[in-house]
Amino acid sequence: AQSVTQPDIHITVSEGASLELRCNYSYGATPYLFWYVQSPGQGLQLLLKYFSGDTLVQGIKGFEAEFKRSQSSFNLRKPSVHWSDAAEYFCAVGRIYGGATNKLIFGTGTLLAVQP
Amino acid sequence: GAVVSQHPSWVICKSGTSVKIECRSLDFQATTMFWYRQFPKQSLMLMATSNEGSKATYEQGVEKDKFLINHASLTLSTLTVTSAHPEDSSFYICSARGDWGRENTGELFFGEGSRLTVL
Repeated sequence: AQSVTQPDIHITVSEGASLELRCNYSYGATPYLFWYVQSPGQGLQLLLKYFSGDTLVQGIKGFEAEFKRSQSSFNLRKPSVHWSDAAEYFCAVGRIYGGATNKLIFGTGTLLAVQP
Repeated sequence: GAVVSQHPSWVICKSGTSVKIECRSLDFQATTMFWYRQFPKQSLMLMATSNEGSKATYEQGVEKDKFLINHASLTLSTLTVTSAHPEDSSFYICSARGDWGRENTGELFFGEGSRLTVL
């Protein structure tokens, strides 16, 4: 069965510190992987995505993620966290039909708090 | 990026009434829209896939007669929660897929969500 696991429900980091959010997936075919961010009461914004090619992908807001097939992981990283990064982060795996993204399966999310 | 807008952003209704939530793609045409439901402190669960001009495809366990979806145009999909009950209280989020044929692989764009509270 397809699934996405985010082991950390809640993470607190100090402003300026580095960040890594974990994501593991289970998928029967080549995964298409996404990271989204959700601010309180808001919809989701795409941070980055991996479809193929270079396993280290760069996203918006200084985020990057690395796809590791051997570990079935797609961890999100940022070298220096800003207070505005406090939000909930969702990892998702999707399927591609005819070149278009289809259903997404989301992880349970990781809530990031940033200390001054 | 493309903009998807939901309305209303927050609605409170009495038990037994019906509520309609709109999802609009403001600057692009979306042949496919998805409706998600998010419970507090939980992830998004896909409810249904809405295709313009055809019936929606519901995920297993989602009552199609309770959650009516209409996708009458390329820029509008509506979700109607019929005979709402307190257990239907949730955050409903739509996403629209751009099918303009670029190399963006039909990226999904999400609305800001609609919070339903049923008293």
